[in-house]
Amino acid sequence: AQSVTQPDIHITVSEGASLELRCNYSYGATPYLFWYVQSPGQGLQLLLKYFSGDTLVQGIKGFEAEFKRSQSSFNLRKPSVHWSDAAEYFCAVGPNQGGKLIFGQGTELSVKP
Amino acid sequence: EADIYQTPRYLVIGTGKKITLECSQTMGHDKMYWYQQDPGMELHLIHYSYGVNSTEKGDLSSESTVSRIRTEHFPLTLESARPSHTSQYLCASQSLGQGLTEAFFGQGTRLTVV
Repeated sequence: AQSVTQPDIHITVSEGASLELRCNYSYGATPYLFWYVQSPGQGLQLLLKYFSGDTLVQGIKGFEAEFKRSQSSFNLRKPSVHWSDAAEYFCAVGPNQGGKLIFGQGTELSVKP
Repeated sequence: EADIYQTPRYLVIGTGKKITLECSQTMGHDKMYWYQQDPGMELHLIHYSYGVNSTEKGDLSSESTVSRIRTEHFPLTLESARPSHTSQYLCASQSLGQGLTEAFFGQGTRLTVV
């Protein structure tokens, strides 16, 4: 079955520190991969996406993610976290047999001053 | 610029009332979704549509219903609201063009049933 796992429910980092959020997927074919961010009480905003080509993709707000087929992973990274990055982050993969996006459980990021 | 709108943003309503959550998009997307999300929790797909006159149940059973009479409009209705329906409801749309594109999300409707 197709699935997405975000192993970390909650991560706390210090402002200015580097960040890596993990995402592992189970998918039978070449996946399309996405990272979304959700601020409290808001909808989801797309950070970046991977469809094909270069396995290191750049997104908005200084985020990047690397697709590693051998590890079935699509981890999100940022070299220096800002307090405004505190939010919930969702990894998604698609399409499944119904043409739908499958979301992970989300990782809540807190940023310490 | 993603143009998908949900109204109202916040709604407090009494038990037993009928409510409709509105979702409209101006991007001409064929596919639309409704997700239910409790605070700080994952998204649960409750309804989706491939286009006009198409509606499908999602992965999470829901007492709500949807309709898709126009491409741009995908309203969600609760005939009789209950406190268990208290949640955030997110609408999304997606193009069915070449390959898969990302889904665009509305700001959400936070529903409280008292």
